[in-house]
Amino acid sequence: QKEVEQNSGPLSVPEGAIASLNCTYSDRGSQSFFWYRQYSGKSPELIMSIYSNGDKEDGRFTAQLNKASQYVSLLIRDSQPSDSATYLCAVIVTGGFKTIFGAGTRLFVKA
Amino acid sequence: NAGVMQNPRHLVRRRGQEARLRCSPMKGHSHVYWYRQLPEEGLKFMVYLQKENIIDESGMPKERFSAEFPKEGPSILRIQQVVRGDSAAYFCASSPPSGSNEKLFFGSGTQLSVL
Repeated sequence: QKEVEQNSGPLSVPEGAIASLNCTYSDRGSQSFFWYRQYSGKSPELIMSIYSNGDKEDGRFTAQLNKASQYVSLLIRDSQPSDSATYLCAVIVTGGFKTIFGAGTRLFVKA
Repeated sequence: NAGVMQNPRHLVRRRGQEARLRCSPMKGHSHVYWYRQLPEEGLKFMVYLQKENIIDESGMPKERFSAEFPKEGPSILRIQQVVRGDSAAYFCASSPPSGSNEKLFFGSGTQLSVL
């Protein structure tokens, strides 16, 4: 089983819709969770971090964490064409020494 | 406040040559991570270093690959006797010495092409 799993997509949504990205992880002891955005040919950039169960909102982005289900999600409200990118779910594994990334979900927002 | 600096941006090597990739972390950061990314794939962890110490190299291939982060100067990822399968984007990231909740700041990456 992969440590961090994501649906590779592509996920296609119309402009203005809500995009929902999902991620599961295998290390039950993980405490820190992140979403990175990566545009084609560019480096990843951090957009959200979450450490506690529940929702965390930042502008149009909402991260959701359920440690019992080992599940993390990212919601993007009012999706824009500029949100088209690959979204990487990342988890710091038990011990706190390294961040493991999922393979990423490609998102396309159609104008 | 300069970000994470990687060089070169592009590196072309012939099979059997050596590749040296450099990474200078953000000012004040003492943790450096190297990741490899193949086309259409996620980031694969390679190694985590602090100044003069390798903390976790569980993602490094056993042969031909090595990494260092000396007391002075940048972190170096070294690949000896490169093969075509080494062609990938190599990203360096750094984080501050602030405990286990470490957010990573990435450099622009080095695209290695092996002919």
